[in-house]
Amino acid sequence: EAQVTQNPRYLITVTGKKLTVTCSQNMNHEYMSWYRQDPGLGLRQIYYSMNVEVTDKGDVPEGYKVSRKEKRNFPLILESPSPNQTSLYFCASSDSVAGAYNEQFFGPGTRLTVL
Amino acid sequence: GESVGLHLPTLSVQEGDNSIINCAYSNSASDYFIWYKQESGKGPQFIIDIRSNMDKRQGQRVTVLLNKTVKHLSLQIAATQPGDSAVYFCAEIYNTDKLIFGTGTRLQVFP
Repeated sequence: EAQVTQNPRYLITVTGKKLTVTCSQNMNHEYMSWYRQDPGLGLRQIYYSMNVEVTDKGDVPEGYKVSRKEKRNFPLILESPSPNQTSLYFCASSDSVAGAYNEQFFGPGTRLTVL
Repeated sequence: GESVGLHLPTLSVQEGDNSIINCAYSNSASDYFIWYKQESGKGPQFIIDIRSNMDKRQGQRVTVLLNKTVKHLSLQIAATQPGDSAVYFCAEIYNTDKLIFGTGTRLQVFP
């Protein structure tokens, strides 16, 4: 089944404890992206990647890191999480060299709570 | 399920009626627009897209209208069904690889 998977689905952690949220897609998509979703703010892009070893900042990149060493994986890293990073996170991918100019397939989401 | 937004604009329609969800976009240079549907506890799902060189595009039971003069986008759902209940987001993109999402509208369908 073609899909985007994220792990973990739920995570409660404490301030300053490094964490990684994994994202994997099995559709051989070039474009991948991370979003956070907060009430009243909609979805905001954190980072995106046009292809392997190519990453760029989105609208809210502060406090996050990403890497794209393989085409299928795009992990989101929080080196020192803070409570303002408590949010619902979505990974997405797109089958197009045109990047975001195409339908994006979203993962199921990761609910992160930072205490 | 996950709470997408507690204070979203809400559109309530009766099953079988047509729904119209509106969206005002921000950038007159935006050249691509997408509508996404998000059901409770799930990630957004693509519905339909439209490029700025078009005014209208139709899909199955859905139509997107684009008015570039007033920077307005609308999604029309024909014969609304209970399964259409969700939060709907419009999104725009302009000359970048970033998609800018609106804050969403909740559609409630009652029998």
